[in-house]
Amino acid sequence: SQQGEEDPQALSIQEGENATMNCSYKTSINNLQWYRQNSGRGLVHLILIRSNEREKHSGRLRVTLDTSKKSSSLLITASRAADTASYFCATARTNAGKSTFGDGTTLTVKP
Amino acid sequence: EAQVTQNPRYLITVTGKKLTVTCSQNMNHEYMSWYRQDPGLGLRQIYYSMNVEVTDKGDVPEGYKVSRKEKRNFPLILESPSPNQTSLYFCASKALGNTEAFFGQGTRLTVV
Repeated sequence: SQQGEEDPQALSIQEGENATMNCSYKTSINNLQWYRQNSGRGLVHLILIRSNEREKHSGRLRVTLDTSKKSSSLLITASRAADTASYFCATARTNAGKSTFGDGTTLTVKP
Repeated sequence: EAQVTQNPRYLITVTGKKLTVTCSQNMNHEYMSWYRQDPGLGLRQIYYSMNVEVTDKGDVPEGYKVSRKEKRNFPLILESPSPNQTSLYFCASKALGNTEAFFGQGTRLTVV
């Protein structure tokens, strides 16, 4: 199966709640990135975490990486309706080679 | 403004008629890549390039060609398009190293 698989496939929450999405992968990686995509549009980079890092923050976003479990999570705190989008993780085995995307998690935040 | 520009944004074509989707970036990035996105399958990498005249296959290269004659441009060529190449295509670029990728707005291709 594909490297980089998100879980859940779809998530629906109320505004103000936290949203957690998970990504699992199969092989060793150099880095893992999270992207956001609004319906049918280009992807926007959110956070890159290197294989030797365990946690990174950016505003309301928190990403963790557990290389022993080959998994990462993206936490969006205090969600807003504008956070409604699809979120993808992407893994890279080197810093300039192939990258592999998961199938994404579709997040719906209800006002 | 830093950007990745794809053209055209929408294209309907017939089976077998050669087409080219252009991609240009203005950030002097070494790395460029093409992806296709299909429902339920996420993004799959078609080809990538780490510098001028250097290209490598991604996960789904069959039926596609690319070239990298200049640093800023990375066109995707479909010599003989088929209906199973109907998809949403994205071009991306980034600097080498652990850096973020910038994506174009996508090209929606329909092959009938």
